[in-house]
Amino acid sequence: DIQMTQSPSSLSASVGDRVTIACRASQSISTYLNWYQHKPGKAPKLLIYAASSLQSGVPSRFSGSGSGPDFTLTISSLQPEDFATYSCQQTHTTPYTFGQGTKLEIK
Amino acid sequence: QVQLVQSGAEVKKSGASVKVSCKASGYTFTGHYIHWVRQAPGQGLEWMGWINPNIGGIKYAQKFQGRVTMTSDTSVSTAYMELTRLTSDDTAVYYCARDYISARGTWFDFWGQGTLVSVSS
Repeated sequence: DIQMTQSPSSLSASVGDRVTIACRASQSISTYLNWYQHKPGKAPKLLIYAASSLQSGVPSRFSGSGSGPDFTLTISSLQPEDFATYSCQQTHTTPYTFGQGTKLEIK
Repeated sequence: QVQLVQSGAEVKKSGASVKVSCKASGYTFTGHYIHWVRQAPGQGLEWMGWINPNIGGIKYAQKFQGRVTMTSDTSVSTAYMELTRLTSDDTAVYYCARDYISARGTWFDFWGQGTLVSVSS
């Protein structure tokens, strides 16, 4: 199975900060990498697909980059509603594995 | 609008089985695979498998082989996931998700609201 490792596992930041979350695959996955946001009691929400494409309706402050084994999710200016957990997912090979999640908390 | 509505929370005893439903609306049910993903308390998301409602094809994660059965009923646009021989490790929120497949990959663009399955001994 392809292992997905995110860093950091948790992060404290303030409204207006620029934040970057990293995701590394245990082998090359080209750009078959997606990012999701999830909040307690709510369904995960697709933010970025194919490593860098912004899902319709997602604010442009979210961006993704990378290929092969290394990827990043960047939030350019944190808003109060962005405090949540973020997970990467590879869909290169089944089982479609997720990272362990990065919890973004208010400083 | 696309919606996936799941069945309600379940409380089960160890050794029992649970069947969760996922009713789709707002799109052609047979046009997209349905995936099942779970999240145990304090853990990350875990992919369990998919079903193709069009032809009934299935793919399960090795971890769940022999314990999980995914089915669909196109007459009511509903997918089902049954998990047997439950243990406390199966306590989790179970999600269904619709996928979108393109040459650029596969992603889960719509998700159900989640179904909490609690297993006690």
